[in-house]
Amino acid sequence: AQKVTQAQTEISVVEKEDVTLDCVYETRDTTYYLFWYKQPPSGELVFLIRRNSFDEQNEISGRYSWNFQKSTSSFNFTITASQVVDSAVYFCALILMNTGFQKLVFGTGTRLLVSP
Amino acid sequence: DVKVTQSSRYLVKRTGEKVFLECVQDMDHENMFWYRQDPGLGLRLIYFSYDVKMKEKGDIPEGYSVSREKKERFSLILESASTNQTSMYLCASSLRPSGANVLTFGAGSRLTVL
Repeated sequence: AQKVTQAQTEISVVEKEDVTLDCVYETRDTTYYLFWYKQPPSGELVFLIRRNSFDEQNEISGRYSWNFQKSTSSFNFTITASQVVDSAVYFCALILMNTGFQKLVFGTGTRLLVSP
Repeated sequence: DVKVTQSSRYLVKRTGEKVFLECVQDMDHENMFWYRQDPGLGLRLIYFSYDVKMKEKGDIPEGYSVSREKKERFSLILESASTNQTSMYLCASSLRPSGANVLTFGAGSRLTVL
């Protein structure tokens, strides 16, 4: 069975600090996708990134970067120079591609609080 | 932009009441989903639908039913609400039945059952 673990329940930082959100996944399948979603206080989850299991290239998008390492089954998310607007709950998720209807499996989320 | 609209942001109901949560998407997406979000448990899938009148149970379907009479609308029904169904309910949609589709979420409906 597949599983996503986000061990950090809540992280508090001061603005301009860098912060890394951890995501560890479990699956025996070789073909899968990983996602990160952001849930701001408004409640609506917003898609951030999707990465397939064959693409271990790290990705950078502005202040956001993602580090995918199959050797450690991790897909960590780093925010550089955090801002108050980054305060949200962040979810990591996994989807397998080899079974009928693909369902996302979410981690329990990490709440990030960025104070001014 | 795809929009997923949940009709009620906050609801307060009494134990035993029948509750309808409505969700509408405006971009012709095939798939629609209902999730429940609880602290420490993340998002758990209740039901999903990959076509009109089609539905599949998710991980926690007990106590819930769904209806999809039109492609754009997916309703979650609590036949007899109980206090343990107090939660945040999130509706989502995605384009195609298969593949690693990106989900578009609504803003959520926070239900309190007294």
